[in-house]
Amino acid sequence: AQKVTQAQTEISVVEKEDVTLDCVYETRDTTYYLFWYKQPPSGELVFLIRRNSFDEQNEISGRYSWNFQKSTSSFNFTITASQVVDSAVYFCALISYSGAGSYQLTFGKGTKLSVIP
Amino acid sequence: DVKVTQSSRYLVKRTGEKVFLECVQDMDHENMFWYRQDPGLGLRLIYFSYDVKMKEKGDIPEGYSVSREKKERFSLILESASTNQTSMYLCASRTGSSYNEQFFGPGTRLTVL
Repeated sequence: AQKVTQAQTEISVVEKEDVTLDCVYETRDTTYYLFWYKQPPSGELVFLIRRNSFDEQNEISGRYSWNFQKSTSSFNFTITASQVVDSAVYFCALISYSGAGSYQLTFGKGTKLSVIP
Repeated sequence: DVKVTQSSRYLVKRTGEKVFLECVQDMDHENMFWYRQDPGLGLRLIYFSYDVKMKEKGDIPEGYSVSREKKERFSLILESASTNQTSMYLCASRTGSSYNEQFFGPGTRLTVL
């Protein structure tokens, strides 16, 4: 069975601080994809990034960056110079093939980030 | 722009009522999903559909059913609502590969009294 662990339930930072959200996953498959979603107070989950298991290159998008390390089964998300608009619940997710034509998508329980002005 | 809409943002129903939650997507996506989100439990998949009139059970289908008569619309039905079905319900859609990202609606917060 696969698993996604977001050990940080809630994090508070002061505006302009950097913050890293941790995501550790477990899967037996060699082919899988990892995702990060943002859920602002409005409720709608917004897709941020997708990364496949064969691409360990880190990615940067503006103030957001992602560090994928297969050796530690982690896919961490860093926000640089945080802003109040970054306040949200962030979910890490994993999808892999579970056999017989089925794919299993597993979400972590989420990390609630509060950025204080 | 990609769009998934849900019929209600907030809904209050009484125990035993039949409840319909509607979801519509305008992206011509083949796959649609219903999740419920509860504090401390994250998102849990209730049902999904990979084509019109097709449905598959997710992790927690008990007490729910679904209907997909048209490609763009996926309905979640609570045949007899119970208080333990008070939750946030999220609809999502996805195209193509199972490895693609899902697009989510704004959610329906259902309270069953």
